[in-house]
Amino acid sequence: KAGVTQTPRYLIKTRGQQVTLSCSPISGHRSVSWYQQTPGQGLQFLFEYFSETQRNKGNFPGRFSGRQFSNSRSEMNVSTLELGDSALYLCASSSNRDRGLNTEAFFGQGTRLTVV
Amino acid sequence: GQNIDQPTEMTATEGAIVQINCTYQTSGFNGLFWYQQHAGEAPTFLSYNVLDGLEEKGRFSSFLSRSKGYSYLLLKELQMKDSASYLCAVRDPRDYGQNFVFGPGTRLSVLP
Repeated sequence: KAGVTQTPRYLIKTRGQQVTLSCSPISGHRSVSWYQQTPGQGLQFLFEYFSETQRNKGNFPGRFSGRQFSNSRSEMNVSTLELGDSALYLCASSSNRDRGLNTEAFFGQGTRLTVV
Repeated sequence: GQNIDQPTEMTATEGAIVQINCTYQTSGFNGLFWYQQHAGEAPTFLSYNVLDGLEEKGRFSSFLSRSKGYSYLLLKELQMKDSASYLCAVRDPRDYGQNFVFGPGTRLSVLP
């Protein structure tokens, strides 16, 4: 079974630009979550999508948004990039079959975004 | 509020046993997870506890006390490849979702 795939792996953008990151979950998984990982703040939850609907959202500004398609693939978008947005962005998928109990999340390799 | 604490760094010797502690104070609780993350790689699942007690899986064991908001990960017969960051995470039960609150991670260095 193929794992969680994130593209691109590396990205360099300029302040003020916008960026779109992509995540393909494990086949059959309907829940996709996004996290930001930085040395100072660790792993922080951005949002979660389930069946094309945003189910939960973390404490990030509105510049961070996402969506999920009918095939469960997900994208996240960051507009008006700031230097502080430089981070590793991780996507995680899970089956969530039994309403979230005892189902771990499987992480992708991440997209390392550098804002200059 | 959500707060999870772990030691920042630990060092141990190959072949030894190490215990990584995690304390949490979260508004909800739907399981505590431990993940391993090697530098530059994705976090990988190690263990899951939702009831009090010890869960053993090979060289790794994890313990949970919900009343104390405390968990630990025990690694036995340490190997050099165990050098990694270990992340403690609590799953938020809101809407049966899959969002986790992660601790800062403990960077473990295994020395020969």
